Formats: sequence, C-alpha cells, structure tokens
Amino acid sequence: GAVVSQHPSWVICKSGTSVKIECRSLDFQATTMFWYRQFPKQSLMLMATSNEGSKATYEQGVEKDKFLINHASLTLSTLTVTSAHPEDSSFYICSAALPGFSAGGRDEQFFGPGTRLTVL
Amino acid sequence: GQNIDQPTEMTATEGAIVQINCTYQTSGFNGLFWYQQHAGEAPTFLSYNVLDGLEEKGRFSSFLSRSKGYSYLLLKELQMKDSASYLCAVRDSNYQLIWGAGTKLIIKP
Repeated sequence: GAVVSQHPSWVICKSGTSVKIECRSLDFQATTMFWYRQFPKQSLMLMATSNEGSKATYEQGVEKDKFLINHASLTLSTLTVTSAHPEDSSFYICSAALPGFSAGGRDEQFFGPGTRLTVL
Repeated sequence: GQNIDQPTEMTATEGAIVQINCTYQTSGFNGLFWYQQHAGEAPTFLSYNVLDGLEEKGRFSSFLSRSKGYSYLLLKELQMKDSASYLCAVRDSNYQLIWGAGTKLIIKP
C-alpha cells in the first residue's frame, strides 16, 4: 500500500514557540491531504483539508492563523503550530488520499505515523 | 447533526469471535470505513463498505445495512495483537469522513 511519512515523530517545545510538522506521501501523488488531531482516549478530529496549490479548508473552531498549513507540492504538506501553548499538546496525524477518495471511490486515506507534540 | 455511535470498550478472549457495532446518522452516505488503531500509532485501514452486505477479508469481516444506518466489524480467531481501538468512519454527501469515537478492544488470554 501507499506510504505516508511524518516528521518529526515527537517534539517537545517551550510555550510560545512554533513547531513545523511535515507530511510526505512517499510513493504516490496526493492531491489532497488531511490533518487530524487526537487527544488521549478520543477519536480523530479533522482540523483541515489541504489541496495542493490552494488554501487549506479549516474545520469549524480551528484557528487558521494558529495552525498554518502549506501544501506546496503533490507529495508534501506542512502544519505549523504557531505560538504553541500547553493546550496544543496532542497527537497530530496527517493522511493522504488518492484522487479517487474525494470522488467517492473506495480508495482509503493513508495515514502517517503521527507526531506527538508536548508543549511545556 | 451527524453522529456515529460505537461502544466505548469491549473485552473478548483469545481465539474467540467479537462483533463491534457502529450506528450512524449522517447527511448522505458515500461509504463506511473501519480502521484499526494501536495505542500511540496512526490508524490503519481494515475495510470499506458502500453496498449492503458482508465483506470478508481473512479473519476480519465487515457488514453494512444502509437502510438501518448500521455496520459491524467481525473479528474471528482473536489474537492478542488484535487488542487495539477500532474506528468506524462514514463518508457523507460532501465526501467528508465523519469519525466515531472508537471502540477499545481488550483481548484476554
């Protein structure tokens, strides 16, 4: 199956700093990438949908100025958590979808391994 | 609103069979997915149903009834490594995935 990588796998930072997380599709071109956040013992929460070459679509309640998403190429999307605070500590997961997914095809999303962010 | 319900936690015995149910109420339906997620890891794809009926894949099977807004994931010959959370997700009319909270499955020897 398709492989999606994330970097870093974990990061600890001080409050007020910014953290960038990279999501790469290694063996396919992903026109659409998704960013999720997952708090302990909770399900995935979609933060935003990122389409290559255009602005990301953010879910209600997600601050676009705080969570900057850039999808500069068909294989790379980045999420930058700006001015991170302890409440931003979470497990951030990206996924990439083949073109058929958004058209209702059976192609599934391929998930990256996740990035655990701890803000002190 | 859109809603997906799954049991929070289930316990089963190694070698046995377990059925995890998922009921949904969404604006439109364009397929239902089951994912497995081990603690601290990202979800991995298990199955996809878009038509009514049973899809079998090895030890795992998934069933869908669109008229009832209902699906289940059936796991046979349970192994200790099957201990994980199982997430049900429905793709709505806007092709957005709506996620259930997940069912934590505990396997006992």
